[in-house]
Order: sequence, then structure tokens, then C-alpha cells
Amino acid sequence: DVKVTQSSRYLVKRTGEKVFLECVQDMDHENMFWYRQDPGLGLRLIYFSYDVKMKEKGDIPEGYSVSREKKERFSLILESASTNQTSMYLCASSFGGNGGSYEQYFGPGTRLTVT
Amino acid sequence: SQQGEEDPQALSIQEGENATMNCSYKTSINNLQWYRQNSGRGLVHLILIRSNEREKHSGRLRVTLDTSKKSSSLLITASRAADTASYFCATGGATSYDKVIFGPGTSLSVIP
Repeated sequence: DVKVTQSSRYLVKRTGEKVFLECVQDMDHENMFWYRQDPGLGLRLIYFSYDVKMKEKGDIPEGYSVSREKKERFSLILESASTNQTSMYLCASSFGGNGGSYEQYFGPGTRLTVT
Repeated sequence: SQQGEEDPQALSIQEGENATMNCSYKTSINNLQWYRQNSGRGLVHLILIRSNEREKHSGRLRVTLDTSKKSSSLLITASRAADTASYFCATGGATSYDKVIFGPGTSLSVIP
């Protein structure tokens, strides 16, 4: 079974702190994604990566950065956490290559609260 | 930019009944996917249907795709309390570099 793990289920941080969210997948997937999910807004893509050291901005990249030094690991960084970044953060991975997009496998999510 | 829109936003049915959710989208797609999310958890992929397919089955799930109307439906037959969850459609582009765009979801409650 594909497994996508996220470093924390719940996280509480203070405004202005630098926050790291880690995601690891064990299926040798090329693509990895970070979403945030807010009530009424659905899933919004923050960043995705289709290869090591590659990254692409999603729909809401402001205030976030990412790092992918190894194929299995994709990190989301909140440079200076703000209260409007309180949300559920979901990591996902999928196969890459030609032939269209593939099903994504999600981690359990990290519920981040910024106070 | 939101691509898929599910309808209805919320649905409540009795156990044993069928549940139908619809998804409409705006631009051409390569495939359409359905996902389920149990409360407070990550999403689980249910089924992927490609733009050249019209219908696909998986267990109690049936998905249809009408590219001329830019719409899809998810039918869950003989629903169970365990089917209570949010269901999302997601549209995929022509390459794996294209973003998969999720709709806002349908919240399904199955009453025992």
C-alpha cells in the first residue's frame, strides 16, 4: 500500500514563527503536492513538485516556500506564520510522466493553528 | 480558479438508499477523479475516469462522464453508514505537470 506520512497531526505555533511541515512518501512517486483545506473553500494547491529540486507554484503560494532535496520528501515552510495560515494542510503524491495526471495519494493531514 | 463544482453541497439519505452526486467543470480535461474524505482525515482516491470513457464501475460505485456537457456523476448504491464522508471531484489536465483541481465537495450523511 502507498503510504504518505506527515510529520505532525496537530501543531500549534505562534505568529512570526518559522514552521516546517514534512511529508514523506514510500512509493517512489515523482510528483508531490501541498494543499491547504479550509471550510467552504475546498482544497487549494500551494505548491507542487514533479522532480527532485523542482517546484511549481500553485494557486496560493504567498507566504509559503517548499523544499524537495530527496525524491521521497517534500517540505512546506511557513517563513513567518500568521493567523490566516491556520488551516488543515494536506500532502499528496502521485506518479508522473506522460499520459495525463494520475490519482493522488494523500497523507492524514496536519491541522495547524497559529495563535 | 475553480474547475469542478459538486452538487448538491450536502446530501442526507437513509441507509440502503442510493446516493448521487454531480460534478460540473468548465474547461477540457484529460481525466476526472473522485475522492472521499472522512471527517478530519486525508482524502482517499475512489475512481479515475478518462475523457474517452463514459462509465466506470468499482464495487458499489458508478461514475459517468459526459464531456459534451462537461459533467460527471458519482452513484453510490446501497449506501451504508460508513459511506458518510465528503466527496470531491477533481479534474486533471493533459500532462502530469497540469494541476489537478478539486471542487468544494459534497457532504454525504447516511443515516442508519
